[in-house]
Amino acid sequence: EAGVTQSPTHLIKTRGQQATLRCSPISGHTSVYWYQQALGLGLQFLLWYDEGEERNRGNFPPRFSGRQFPNYSSELNVNALELEDSALYLCASSFYQGNTEAFFGQGTRLTVV
Amino acid sequence: AQSVTQLDSHVSVSEGTPVLLRCNYSSSYSPSLFWYVQHPNKGLQLLLKYTSAATLVKGINGFEAEFKKSETSFHLTKPSAHMSDAAEYFCVVSDRNAGNMLTFGGGTRLMVKP
Repeated sequence: EAGVTQSPTHLIKTRGQQATLRCSPISGHTSVYWYQQALGLGLQFLLWYDEGEERNRGNFPPRFSGRQFPNYSSELNVNALELEDSALYLCASSFYQGNTEAFFGQGTRLTVV
Repeated sequence: AQSVTQLDSHVSVSEGTPVLLRCNYSSSYSPSLFWYVQHPNKGLQLLLKYTSAATLVKGINGFEAEFKKSETSFHLTKPSAHMSDAAEYFCVVSDRNAGNMLTFGGGTRLMVKP
């Protein structure tokens, strides 16, 4: 069974541009989570989607947004990129209910220059 | 609200000696707790999980953790460190009342000396 897949693996953008990151969850998982791992800041919760709806978002500005598609895959969009947006962006998926763990993808390394 | 505190940001051990990575949590509910490991430039891999069954949880690669409710702790241990254990370790609490949303500790970087 395929795990959580993220694309692209690496992304280099210029300040002010937009970045789009994609995530495909494990089959059967309806919840998708996005986390930012910036150097020295640990893992920060960004967004949580379930059944196509945004369920919760972390303390990030509105230029961080996303969506979840009917097949439960998800996109994270970052507008007006800033240098400090450079980070590893991790996607995870899980079942919505129950004592189940989240499974993580390998991440997208976003570099803003 | 829930939170996780990893008491050591860095731990250094010699190969073959025991490993102890400390974690304390705060949760309003009966928590689900996890340890994840992250090797350099990689995603996170689940080491083990506690979900209100046995308090001593065995995971992969010889790691185990003990849930102690009275101490609100979930420390990770391994009897004998291997060079390949060098990585970043995250203690995580899951909020089952928020769709299993995960709250991460700050991480502990484990260094293993030959």
